Amino acid sequence: GQQVMQIPQYQHVQEGEDFTTYCNSSTTLSNIQWYKQRPGGHPVFLIQLVKSGEVKKQKRLTFQFGEAKKNSSLHITATQTTDVGTYFCAGLPYGGATNKLIFGTGTLLAVQP
Amino acid sequence: NAGVTQTPKFRVLKTGQSMTLLCAQDMNHEYMYWYRQDPGMGLRLIHYSVGEGTTAKGEVPDGYNVSRLKKQNFLLGLESAAPSQTSVYFCASSPLAGSYNEQFFGPGTRLTVL
Repeated sequence: GQQVMQIPQYQHVQEGEDFTTYCNSSTTLSNIQWYKQRPGGHPVFLIQLVKSGEVKKQKRLTFQFGEAKKNSSLHITATQTTDVGTYFCAGLPYGGATNKLIFGTGTLLAVQP
Repeated sequence: NAGVTQTPKFRVLKTGQSMTLLCAQDMNHEYMYWYRQDPGMGLRLIHYSVGEGTTAKGEVPDGYNVSRLKKQNFLLGLESAAPSQTSVYFCASSPLAGSYNEQFFGPGTRLTVL
């Protein structure tokens, strides 16, 4: 079946270091979304990318969508303790059921002060 | 607006018992979803609905049933709970499909089946 894998599963950084998580889909995607889940909380939408090669920035966060629309990345510059949580990508397979996202396995980010 | 709410927040069941999880949204969204979240496996779609009176199977539907009798509510039922259904369950909703289809999640229900 269709799968979306994320690496790494877990990343521990010192505050101020950069962090990157990568998302890879087995199929071409119409779009990709990113969500953040704080420990004990629920996923919260961060951003959506639609176009091939698209790059979007939100303050210290940079999101990229691959040229082939099968991979994506989230890069955080100079991490802060408030960045702690699990980051999920979620892809909408091209030609698939509308709004039926496939979530990645997530990357848990720990930030040491 | 409360957004997406879920009841109950926690529940412990014995194997074979039944229960219903309730999800409610006040954003007039057409689409609603039930996910389960297990360690290391991300969020997996159980069932979803594209409108009042409609339901469809997701990735892991076995052992669950759903109903969407009212647009604002989406119920998830477990007829005969099994330990493998121990998980955190999230409900989500999203607006009518377009190019922008952000999902809004509820706070979750932590279910333990003994």
